Amino acid sequence: DAGITQSPRHKVTETGTPVTLRCHQTENHRYMYWYRQDPGHGLRLIHYSYGVKDTDKGEVSDGYSVSRSKTEDFLLTLESATSSQTSVYFCAISESLLAGAEQYFGPGTRLTVT
Amino acid sequence: ILNVEQSPQSLHVQEGDSTNFTCSFPSSNFYALHWYRWETAKSPEALFVMTLNGDEKKKGRISATLNTKEGYSYLYIKGSQPEDSATYLCAFGTGTASKLTFGTGTRLQVTL
Repeated sequence: DAGITQSPRHKVTETGTPVTLRCHQTENHRYMYWYRQDPGHGLRLIHYSYGVKDTDKGEVSDGYSVSRSKTEDFLLTLESATSSQTSVYFCAISESLLAGAEQYFGPGTRLTVT
Repeated sequence: ILNVEQSPQSLHVQEGDSTNFTCSFPSSNFYALHWYRWETAKSPEALFVMTLNGDEKKKGRISATLNTKEGYSYLYIKGSQPEDSATYLCAFGTGTASKLTFGTGTRLQVTL
């Protein structure tokens, strides 16, 4: 298994509070991604990073920000959580940004916003 | 927004049955098609990445084919086993950037 961990694994928070999810990798892969997974939808890309301090938006980036200060860590922040952000969040990594590169997924974080 | 469709949505087969499911994707701007296997309570794991029209990949009892001109890929499982029970996701990559668009998956359940 690729060395990817996510923390926390489960979180319940109240509407309007800030939340930060962490993805940590030990593979030294340059590219990292945050997805959310909701019933009836495939995995949807929130943000991705192509290097330290280099990030870009994905398909569903509204309400989310990211930061990457070290190769191994990619943080996803919900500045003011809303109930629509209740979801399972997956981090992924890849060796290349090419669309043919496999992505390796972390174990997921289940976030509930009440 | 790119449309990646998977069918059927779910499938229930007996041990030993062979099965297949479909992933449909846009036929323009194709770069890669990924298949992932996602067991309950685990992370998605890559099965195959295909980039060329006519590609065929095989891993044990699982194989996949790709038709980029008509925009579909088939995943086949020969002699299904209970451990094959999982959701199978396909993902379409366009251009060179690895911003994949995922389908909603086919959930396979194999019973004894």
